[in-house]
Amino acid sequence: QQQVKQSPQSLIVQKGGISIINCAYENTAFDYFPWYQQFPGKGPALLIAIRPDVSEKKEGRFTISFNKSAKQFSLHIMDSQPGDSATYFCAASKRTGTASKLTFGTGTRLQVTL
Amino acid sequence: DVKVTQSSRYLVKRTGEKVFLECVQDMDHENMFWYRQDPGLGLRLIYFSYDVKMKEKGDIPEGYSVSREKKERFSLILESASTNQTSMYLCALGSATEAFFGQGTRLTVV
Repeated sequence: QQQVKQSPQSLIVQKGGISIINCAYENTAFDYFPWYQQFPGKGPALLIAIRPDVSEKKEGRFTISFNKSAKQFSLHIMDSQPGDSATYFCAASKRTGTASKLTFGTGTRLQVTL
Repeated sequence: DVKVTQSSRYLVKRTGEKVFLECVQDMDHENMFWYRQDPGLGLRLIYFSYDVKMKEKGDIPEGYSVSREKKERFSLILESASTNQTSMYLCALGSATEAFFGQGTRLTVV
């Protein structure tokens, strides 16, 4: 049972283009939606996150768009650069409760070409 | 900086062996997690611990157990390794709002 569905599985974007990765969730109890970035040979690291009381959050070239009614959220990378080539994971969690934990999507491998 | 150290980067074990994967943190954090990462399946939670000697099953606990005798150390145990446990194993610590990951242990069971 995949509680967080992520697409596409892989993505190739030209330098300067916009990269878009989509996620959908089922559990309406989720109240925190982060994105993680993973470079080869490294563990994932938090990139950007959003709470469901806002529809958009922007940090530099990275933007999360959130649609609560559709239970969907997406990551947009503007002016994509070769250094953005990595695997991206969306995730969801409930912030309260003992040992709250993250549920991850299946990942998107992004390649930014010159 | 948060430091999560996994004892091995690469490990090759034989089918049927008992395998220990070790994870050590320097943050005095209560919550620690073990995930496995497989292409197309993402990160799946095996077990987590929210205090010394406390543990809970994640989404895929079958074939695994864990030990947390001290706060800073969380061990994943494969009781009898099988080829379908060949994977990347990631230890993490943190909360629902941020997880800090180790570099991973790539385990191959032959």
